[in-house]
Amino acid sequence: DAGVIQSPRHEVTEMGQEVTLRCKPISGHDYLFWYRQTMMRGLELLIYFNNNVPIDDSGMPEDRFSAKMPNASFSTLKIQPSEPRDSAVYFCASSFRVAYEQYFGPGTRLTVT
Amino acid sequence: GQSLEQPSEVTAVEGAIVQINCTYQTSGFYGLSWYQQHDGGAPTFLSYNALDGLEETGRFSSFLSRSDSYGYLLLQELQMKDSASYFCAVTSTGRRALTFGSGTRLQVQP
Repeated sequence: DAGVIQSPRHEVTEMGQEVTLRCKPISGHDYLFWYRQTMMRGLELLIYFNNNVPIDDSGMPEDRFSAKMPNASFSTLKIQPSEPRDSAVYFCASSFRVAYEQYFGPGTRLTVT
Repeated sequence: GQSLEQPSEVTAVEGAIVQINCTYQTSGFYGLSWYQQHDGGAPTFLSYNALDGLEETGRFSSFLSRSDSYGYLLLQELQMKDSASYFCAVTSTGRRALTFGSGTRLQVQP
């Protein structure tokens, strides 16, 4: 298996622009997680899905952030409008049946100027 | 709420043994996981404990004491490639997601 795939790997954008991050989980996995990692705040869970349904979005920082999972093989995280404080590495992870063993994608490094 | 505490940095020499501790406070505790992350890389799963005791996987072992809300990761025969950040993370009943600690940066010196 190719593992969790994320795109783009790097994104540089200007404040106010819309950013869309993409994730393809491992085939057959029923859980999908979006995380954000910064030096100041560490690794934070933003939202997770089970069988394509959002279960817990309490970590989404504000209304500028939204996530969708239209099918079992694709998810997006959108930031609109983006702000410099959104600069971070965003990870997507997936797992099968359990949450404790997650497989992370390579991450998207987002820089908002 | 949930909170985890682990040392921010640990330094050890090649071939030695190092223990990374993690204490947690969480309602409905279910299990403790450990992840490794190299600089510029993604977290990778190392081990999981739901029951008290020691779990061994090669050079790495993980321990849990539910009564003490405490666990540790033990790395033996340290190698330079073990230099990385190590995160403990908890899962709780009713919330099938991980809450990560702030991570321990391990530096292995020759």
